[in-house]
Amino acid sequence: DAMVIQNPRYQVTQFGKPVTLSCSQTLNHNVMYWYQQKSSQAPKLLFHYYDKDFNNEADTPDNFQSRRPNTSFCFLDIRSPGLGDAAMYLCATSRDLGPHIQYFGAGTRLSVL
Amino acid sequence: AQTVTQSQPEMSVQEAETVTLSCTYDTSESDYYLFWYKQPPSRQMILVIRQEAYKQQNATENRFSVNFQKAAKSFSLKISDSQLGDAAMYFCAYRRINNAGNMLTFGGGTRLMVKP
Repeated sequence: DAMVIQNPRYQVTQFGKPVTLSCSQTLNHNVMYWYQQKSSQAPKLLFHYYDKDFNNEADTPDNFQSRRPNTSFCFLDIRSPGLGDAAMYLCATSRDLGPHIQYFGAGTRLSVL
Repeated sequence: AQTVTQSQPEMSVQEAETVTLSCTYDTSESDYYLFWYKQPPSRQMILVIRQEAYKQQNATENRFSVNFQKAAKSFSLKISDSQLGDAAMYFCAYRRINNAGNMLTFGGGTRLMVKP
């Protein structure tokens, strides 16, 4: 009965080869977030969607893009992965903006060869 | 900018014992939220406990409780009667009250090991 589902759990890509990570939710939450978490570090917010409104963090590289075709799904696209993009990518949702709990998926671990 | 610091990269505790994880933060705001999240190996991060800064009473959730010292900007997590399933990374996080984007600022995490 997972509520935030990320696929795949492990993804291997080649240097410079575009890759897409997916996230789906059964909570019908308005907000979806993407975080990057490197080994033994805190999660770092890349961007979030409030409904269809996209909000990019100021220091998120242009190499990272996102799509949210509907309420349930959100995708993270890495256009040209570099070795430094190898990390765990976490998707989270919250019911709304404001003081609402964020629910996290189990993450996708991306390796770049 | 707000910062959150967890000074203990790793902690260990004997099963059934009590352990306290430390967290300090820096902010100029008077109202905010503080959280402890647990991230078990290969599993999703889940909320353990939440504290509103305007509340003087420390939050408690079963075996988990916090010691919130607002003046000292300290927010420690106490786990009583530790269980093997408590082994995980624990992240302290901060959120401004008037944060339309619901952005969390995380600390660097503490890895908790529980010895049988």
